[in-house]
Amino acid sequence: DAGVTQSPTHLIKTRGQQVTLRCSPKSGHDTVSWYQQALGQGPQFIFQYYEEEERQRGNFPDRFSGHQFPNYSSELNVNALLLGDSALYLCASSLKVGGNQPQHFGDGTRLSIL
Amino acid sequence: QQQVKQSPQSLIVQKGGISIINCAYENTAFDYFPWYQQFPGKGPALLIAIRPDVSEKKEGRFTISFNKSAKQFSLHIMDSQPGDSATYFCAASMDNFNKFYFGSGTKLNVKP
Repeated sequence: DAGVTQSPTHLIKTRGQQVTLRCSPKSGHDTVSWYQQALGQGPQFIFQYYEEEERQRGNFPDRFSGHQFPNYSSELNVNALLLGDSALYLCASSLKVGGNQPQHFGDGTRLSIL
Repeated sequence: QQQVKQSPQSLIVQKGGISIINCAYENTAFDYFPWYQQFPGKGPALLIAIRPDVSEKKEGRFTISFNKSAKQFSLHIMDSQPGDSATYFCAASMDNFNKFYFGSGTKLNVKP
């Protein structure tokens, strides 16, 4: 049973560029959440997708956008990259039904902005 | 405003000792409190979780103590082992939201 998979594992970009990160949820899960984890900090919630729609959003600018596909996989897009966007981006999947279902995290994409 | 405050930032414990990590929250609407363990280069992995209708939950060597009136909860790791050396995060969420607020993490080092 495959867990949450993210790609790529590492990425280097320069300021002003755009990036797309990808996530495949754990088998059977229908909800995907994205988090940003700065070095030495806890993960911060970016947004959550369910039924191909953004359901909740954290305190992140519109430069951060996402998408969920019919197979529940998801993408995180970041435009106009800033140095401060350097972080580990984590994807977590869960099952919506029942509320507060355990979230399973992938190992993340390490994004470095030069 | 940080929704969940975690302490200490780092912790050194001898093998066989008890590791204790504390968290405090403000929002009384939170009703689900998980703890995650994260190793370098890996994503957080769920360790144990509690709801505020119980004061304690134990799974193996890991115990969560919950004090609803004080809005505090803690993780106790009994008989700590070098393999427990990792960063631990507390978190909180409100029912049906699945939006988790994380603490800033505690780096635990268990000395052999």
